[in-house]
Amino acid sequence: DAGVIQSPRHEVTEMGQEVTLRCKPISGHDYLFWYRQTMMRGLELLIYFNNNVPIDDSGMPEDRFSAKMPNASFSTLKIQPSEPRDSAVYFCASSLRSGNEQFFGPGTRLTVL
Amino acid sequence: EDKVVQSPLSLVVHEGDTVTLNCSYEVTNFRSLLWYKQEKKAPTFLFMLTSSGIEKKSGRLSSILDKKELFSILNITATQTGDSAVYLCAVGDGSGNTGKLIFGQGTTLQVKP
Repeated sequence: DAGVIQSPRHEVTEMGQEVTLRCKPISGHDYLFWYRQTMMRGLELLIYFNNNVPIDDSGMPEDRFSAKMPNASFSTLKIQPSEPRDSAVYFCASSLRSGNEQFFGPGTRLTVL
Repeated sequence: EDKVVQSPLSLVVHEGDTVTLNCSYEVTNFRSLLWYKQEKKAPTFLFMLTSSGIEKKSGRLSSILDKKELFSILNITATQTGDSAVYLCAVGDGSGNTGKLIFGQGTTLQVKP
Protein backbone atom coordinates (compact mmCIF):
# COMPACT_ATOMS: atom_id res chain seq x y z
CA ASP A 1 0.00 0.00 0.00
CA ALA A 2 1.39 3.41 -0.95
CA GLY A 3 0.05 5.12 2.14
CA VAL A 4 -1.53 8.54 2.14
CA ILE A 5 -0.30 10.61 -0.78
CA GLN A 6 -0.14 14.39 -0.74
CA SER A 7 0.87 16.89 -3.37
CA PRO A 8 2.65 19.13 -3.74
CA ARG A 9 5.27 18.47 -1.06
CA HIS A 10 6.35 22.10 -1.05
CA GLU A 11 4.51 25.18 -2.21
CA VAL A 12 5.78 28.74 -2.23
CA THR A 13 3.35 31.39 -3.31
CA GLU A 14 2.66 35.07 -2.97
CA MET A 15 0.03 36.64 -0.80
CA GLY A 16 -3.32 36.78 -2.54
CA GLN A 17 -2.76 33.75 -4.73
CA GLU A 18 -4.97 30.67 -4.66
CA VAL A 19 -3.41 27.51 -3.25
CA THR A 20 -4.75 24.00 -3.76
CA LEU A 21 -3.45 21.07 -1.74
CA ARG A 22 -4.27 17.51 -2.75
CA CYS A 23 -4.64 14.24 -0.89
CA LYS A 24 -5.22 10.63 -1.80
CA PRO A 25 -6.18 8.54 1.24
CA ILE A 26 -5.36 4.89 1.80
CA SER A 27 -7.73 2.76 -0.25
CA GLY A 28 -10.67 1.53 1.80
CA HIS A 29 -10.35 4.10 4.55
CA ASP A 30 -13.63 5.77 5.43
CA TYR A 31 -12.29 8.86 7.19
CA LEU A 32 -10.12 11.65 5.84
CA PHE A 33 -8.68 14.47 7.94
CA TRP A 34 -6.94 17.72 7.12
CA TYR A 35 -4.55 19.16 9.73
CA ARG A 36 -2.35 22.21 9.95
CA GLN A 37 0.83 22.23 12.02
CA THR A 38 2.80 25.26 13.18
CA MET A 39 5.36 25.76 15.92
CA MET A 40 3.04 28.10 17.78
CA ARG A 41 -0.21 26.15 17.61
CA GLY A 42 0.91 22.56 17.14
CA LEU A 43 -1.29 20.14 15.20
CA GLU A 44 -4.75 21.53 14.52
CA LEU A 45 -7.64 19.65 12.94
CA LEU A 46 -9.17 21.73 10.16
CA ILE A 47 -11.89 19.47 8.75
CA TYR A 48 -12.70 15.81 8.37
CA PHE A 49 -14.83 13.67 6.10
CA ASN A 50 -16.62 10.37 6.58
CA ASN A 51 -17.52 8.52 3.38
CA ASN A 52 -16.78 11.69 1.40
CA VAL A 53 -19.18 13.81 3.48
CA PRO A 54 -17.79 16.71 5.56
CA ILE A 55 -18.57 15.98 9.20
CA ASP A 56 -16.87 18.74 11.16
CA ASP A 57 -15.35 21.88 9.67
CA SER A 58 -15.23 23.86 12.89
CA GLY A 59 -11.45 24.00 12.70
CA MET A 60 -11.38 25.80 9.37
CA PRO A 61 -9.95 29.20 10.26
CA GLU A 62 -12.09 31.33 7.99
CA ASP A 63 -13.97 31.51 4.72
CA ARG A 64 -10.76 31.67 2.76
CA PHE A 65 -10.37 27.95 3.45
CA SER A 66 -12.48 25.32 1.74
CA ALA A 67 -12.21 21.55 1.35
CA LYS A 68 -13.87 19.02 -0.91
CA MET A 69 -13.91 15.29 -1.29
CA PRO A 70 -15.52 14.48 -4.65
CA ASN A 71 -14.83 10.76 -4.34
CA ALA A 72 -13.35 8.20 -1.96
CA SER A 73 -9.85 8.54 -3.35
CA PHE A 74 -9.33 12.29 -3.59
CA SER A 75 -9.65 15.42 -1.50
CA THR A 76 -8.55 19.03 -1.89
CA LEU A 77 -7.92 21.84 0.54
CA LYS A 78 -8.06 25.26 -1.05
CA ILE A 79 -6.97 28.62 0.32
CA GLN A 80 -8.16 31.68 -1.58
CA PRO A 81 -6.73 34.25 -1.16
CA SER A 82 -3.67 33.05 0.71
CA GLU A 83 -1.99 35.13 3.43
CA PRO A 84 1.46 34.90 5.07
CA ARG A 85 -0.12 33.62 8.31
CA ASP A 86 -1.29 30.55 6.40
CA SER A 87 2.31 29.38 6.17
CA ALA A 88 2.46 25.96 7.83
CA VAL A 89 2.72 22.26 7.14
CA TYR A 90 -0.61 20.81 6.05
CA PHE A 91 -1.16 17.12 6.70
CA CYS A 92 -3.79 14.82 5.35
CA ALA A 93 -4.59 11.64 7.28
CA SER A 94 -6.97 8.75 6.82
CA SER A 95 -8.36 6.02 9.03
CA LEU A 96 -10.29 2.85 8.51
CA ARG A 97 -13.01 3.49 11.03
CA SER A 98 -14.02 5.75 13.87
CA GLY A 99 -11.48 6.02 16.67
CA ASN A 100 -8.80 3.98 14.96
CA GLU A 101 -5.28 5.09 14.29
CA GLN A 102 -4.91 7.71 11.62
CA PHE A 103 -2.22 7.36 8.99
CA PHE A 104 -0.61 10.60 7.98
CA GLY A 105 0.63 11.68 4.60
CA PRO A 106 4.04 13.32 4.20
CA GLY A 107 2.56 16.81 4.39
CA THR A 108 2.69 19.92 2.23
CA ARG A 109 4.95 22.69 3.45
CA LEU A 110 3.26 25.93 2.42
CA THR A 111 5.07 29.25 2.43
CA VAL A 112 3.11 32.37 1.60
CA LEU A 113 5.32 35.40 0.94
CA GLU B 1 -13.73 22.02 26.28
CA ASP B 2 -11.95 18.76 25.54
CA LYS B 3 -8.18 18.94 26.01
CA VAL B 4 -5.07 16.81 26.05
CA VAL B 5 -2.01 18.01 27.99
CA GLN B 6 1.45 16.54 27.68
CA SER B 7 4.42 16.96 29.97
CA PRO B 8 7.18 17.78 29.94
CA LEU B 9 7.13 19.95 26.81
CA SER B 10 10.77 19.17 26.18
CA LEU B 11 13.37 16.82 27.55
CA VAL B 12 17.09 16.31 26.99
CA VAL B 13 18.67 13.01 28.03
CA HIS B 14 21.77 10.98 27.22
CA GLU B 15 21.88 7.69 25.40
CA GLY B 16 21.02 4.81 27.68
CA ASP B 17 18.73 6.83 29.93
CA THR B 18 15.12 5.85 30.53
CA VAL B 19 12.44 8.47 29.94
CA THR B 20 8.78 8.75 30.87
CA LEU B 21 6.45 10.98 28.92
CA ASN B 22 3.10 11.97 30.37
CA CYS B 23 -0.29 12.62 28.83
CA SER B 24 -3.37 13.70 30.74
CA TYR B 25 -6.75 14.33 29.24
CA GLU B 26 -10.16 15.80 29.86
CA VAL B 27 -12.45 14.50 27.16
CA THR B 28 -16.20 14.21 27.49
CA ASN B 29 -16.48 10.99 25.48
CA PHE B 30 -13.32 8.92 25.57
CA ARG B 31 -12.84 6.23 22.94
CA SER B 32 -9.10 5.59 22.78
CA LEU B 33 -5.68 7.09 23.44
CA LEU B 34 -2.97 7.04 20.82
CA TRP B 35 0.74 7.82 20.79
CA TYR B 36 2.57 9.06 17.71
CA LYS B 37 6.23 9.77 17.00
CA GLN B 38 7.08 12.70 14.74
CA GLU B 39 10.55 13.21 13.40
CA LYS B 40 11.17 15.78 10.68
CA LYS B 41 8.15 14.56 8.78
CA ALA B 42 4.68 13.13 9.35
CA PRO B 43 3.55 11.60 12.64
CA THR B 44 3.88 7.82 12.71
CA PHE B 45 1.66 5.64 14.83
CA LEU B 46 3.09 3.93 17.92
CA PHE B 47 0.31 2.62 20.15
CA MET B 48 -3.42 2.71 20.67
CA LEU B 49 -4.82 2.05 24.15
CA THR B 50 -8.43 1.54 25.07
CA SER B 51 -8.35 -0.33 28.38
CA SER B 52 -6.81 0.60 31.70
CA GLY B 53 -3.87 -1.30 33.11
CA ILE B 54 -2.90 -3.23 30.00
CA GLU B 55 0.63 -2.39 28.96
CA LYS B 56 1.45 -2.24 25.29
CA LYS B 57 5.06 -2.87 24.29
CA SER B 58 7.10 -2.51 21.16
CA GLY B 59 10.79 -3.06 21.65
CA ARG B 60 12.11 -0.46 24.06
CA LEU B 61 8.84 1.48 24.07
CA SER B 62 5.89 0.75 26.29
CA SER B 63 2.71 2.55 27.24
CA ILE B 64 -0.10 2.20 29.72
CA LEU B 65 -3.43 3.89 30.27
CA ASP B 66 -5.25 4.81 33.49
CA LYS B 67 -8.85 5.68 32.67
CA LYS B 68 -9.70 6.41 36.28
CA GLU B 69 -7.01 9.05 36.69
CA LEU B 70 -7.27 10.11 33.03
CA PHE B 71 -3.67 9.78 31.98
CA SER B 72 -1.23 7.69 30.03
CA ILE B 73 2.54 7.32 30.09
CA LEU B 74 4.99 6.40 27.38
CA ASN B 75 8.24 4.84 28.56
CA ILE B 76 11.37 4.55 26.50
CA THR B 77 14.19 2.48 27.97
CA ALA B 78 17.84 2.52 26.91
CA THR B 79 17.27 5.58 24.76
CA GLN B 80 19.15 6.02 21.49
CA THR B 81 19.80 9.11 19.40
CA GLY B 82 17.23 7.77 16.92
CA ASP B 83 14.55 8.25 19.58
CA SER B 84 14.94 12.01 19.24
CA ALA B 85 11.58 13.26 18.03
CA VAL B 86 8.35 14.93 19.06
CA TYR B 87 6.01 12.49 20.77
CA LEU B 88 2.33 13.27 20.34
CA CYS B 89 -0.52 11.99 22.46
CA ALA B 90 -4.05 12.02 21.05
CA VAL B 91 -7.43 11.02 22.41
CA GLY B 92 -10.14 9.59 20.19
CA ASP B 93 -13.47 11.34 20.57
CA GLY B 94 -16.21 8.78 21.17
CA SER B 95 -19.11 11.11 20.43
CA GLY B 96 -21.46 9.60 17.89
CA ASN B 97 -19.55 8.19 14.97
CA THR B 98 -16.82 10.79 14.91
CA GLY B 99 -13.33 9.74 13.95
CA LYS B 100 -11.85 12.85 15.49
CA LEU B 101 -8.56 12.80 17.44
CA ILE B 102 -7.72 15.53 19.93
CA PHE B 103 -3.95 16.07 20.01
CA GLY B 104 -1.75 17.31 22.80
CA GLN B 105 0.98 19.84 22.15
CA GLY B 106 3.70 17.21 22.08
CA THR B 107 6.87 16.45 24.02
CA THR B 108 10.14 17.16 22.25
CA LEU B 109 12.74 14.56 23.22
CA GLN B 110 16.42 15.06 22.44
CA VAL B 111 18.77 12.16 23.10
CA LYS B 112 22.43 13.15 23.18
CA PRO B 113 25.22 10.69 22.38
